[in-house]
Amino acid sequence: GEDVEQSLFLSVREGDSSVINCTYTDSSSTYLYWYKQEPGAGLQLLTYIFSNMDMKQDQRLTVLLNKKDKHLSLRIADTQTGDSAIYFCAETLVSGGYNKLIFGAGTRLAVHP
Amino acid sequence: EPEVTQTPSHQVTQMGQEVILRCVPISNHLYFYWYRQILGQKVEFLVSFYNNEISEKSEIFDDQFSVERPDGSNFTLKIRSTKLEDSAMYFCASSEGRGWSTDTQYFGPGTRLTVL
Repeated sequence: GEDVEQSLFLSVREGDSSVINCTYTDSSSTYLYWYKQEPGAGLQLLTYIFSNMDMKQDQRLTVLLNKKDKHLSLRIADTQTGDSAIYFCAETLVSGGYNKLIFGAGTRLAVHP
Repeated sequence: EPEVTQTPSHQVTQMGQEVILRCVPISNHLYFYWYRQILGQKVEFLVSFYNNEISEKSEIFDDQFSVERPDGSNFTLKIRSTKLEDSAMYFCASSEGRGWSTDTQYFGPGTRLTVL
C-alpha cells in the first residue's frame, strides 16, 4: 500500500545544515512535496520536486530524490531558529484523474543556539 | 499573496452534535480538499471535490461526513453526529486544476475540532 515514512525528530545547532529524510512507496508518484508546519499554523508549501529530477535547489533548500531507492531528502543550509517546525514529506497519488497527498508523520526540527 | 482561510480556528462541541467547518479556497482554484490530522498522527486525506461533486473520498469519509460549495467562495465540511474520535485538526486545501499531475495543493491554517 501507499506509505510515507520519516524520522520523527532532528536537533541541530544554529548555522549547521539540517537533513530531513523521507521514504515513500508508490513508484508512480509524479510530484513529491515538502510542507512546513509552525506551531499553531497550517501547512506551508516549502518546495516540491518532479519525479524525473534528482535534485532541486531553492535558496537555502536542496531537495534530493533517489527514485531507485524511493528516498527523498530536504537539506536546509545555515539553519536558523526560525526554521524550527515540523516538516512533512508528501507524495502525490493520482487516481481517476484526481490527485491526493499521502503524508509522512512529520519530522520535528529543533534548532538550538 | 492569496491564501486559503478557515473558520473557526477552534471548535468545541458535544458528542452527537453537528458541526460545520468552513473554508474559503484561493479564488481561481477549481479543486478543493479536506484532510485531517489526529493529534500525534499523520495528515490523512478525507475528500476531494471538483465541479460541484466529490471526485474521491477515503474510507474515513463515511455517511456522517458531507461537503458542499454553497456559493462561489465557501467550501464546507459537515459532520452530522460527531464522535469523540472525530477530534482532530481539519485542513482545507485548494489547487488550480492546471493538470492533475502538476497540481500543487495550498493549505489553510486548520480548524481544531474538539469533541467532548
